Amino acid sequence: GQQLNQSPQSMFIQEGEDVSMNCTSSSIFNTWLWYKQDPGEGPVLLIALYKAGELTSNGRLTAQFGITRKDSFLNISASIPSDVGIYFCVSGNTGKLIFGQGTTLQVKP
Amino acid sequence: SAVISQKPSRDICQRGTSLTIQCQVDSQVTMMFWYRQQPGQSLTLIATANQGSEATYESGFVIDKFPISRPNLTFSTLTVSNMSPEDSSIYLCSVGQGAAGELFFGEGSRLTVL
Repeated sequence: GQQLNQSPQSMFIQEGEDVSMNCTSSSIFNTWLWYKQDPGEGPVLLIALYKAGELTSNGRLTAQFGITRKDSFLNISASIPSDVGIYFCVSGNTGKLIFGQGTTLQVKP
Repeated sequence: SAVISQKPSRDICQRGTSLTIQCQVDSQVTMMFWYRQQPGQSLTLIATANQGSEATYESGFVIDKFPISRPNLTFSTLTVSNMSPEDSSIYLCSVGQGAAGELFFGEGSRLTVL
């Protein structure tokens, strides 16, 4: 079936550092979404991308929809301890969204 | 975005029993989905809950094991039947809204099967 390949699997960084993670697929999709999941919670939508080449920011977060429509990246600038969690890329077409494997982020104060 | 409430938030169940999880949304939504998140894993779509008709199951999931009801546009249930320890997971209800059906999630129901 369709799969998203997300990397890195985990990151352990110092507070204040920038973070970058990405996701690729073998299929062309219409939507790329980025979610964060805190322990004991459901995933929360961070950024939604709808168009190839689109670059969108949400505070310290920036994400881009790859021009080939097969990839996306998420950057977090100046990380803080509350950025800790699991980040998922999600993609697909309306009504059929699939999740990447997740990137676990740990931030050392 | 819709507010999604799930019950129970967690439960410990005995092997061979069944448990029904409820999902209540504070507004009418067309698209409702059930996901499973096994320990340390990503989310996997179980099925799309269709209002007034049978749910649409993904490969690897069957109605006998995961019967789903969707009596109206604000409510759905997922039953995990004849549970085994391998069913220990977080089960999440989600709704699709927005331009591309972005998913919004409840807090999930964490099941532990002994």
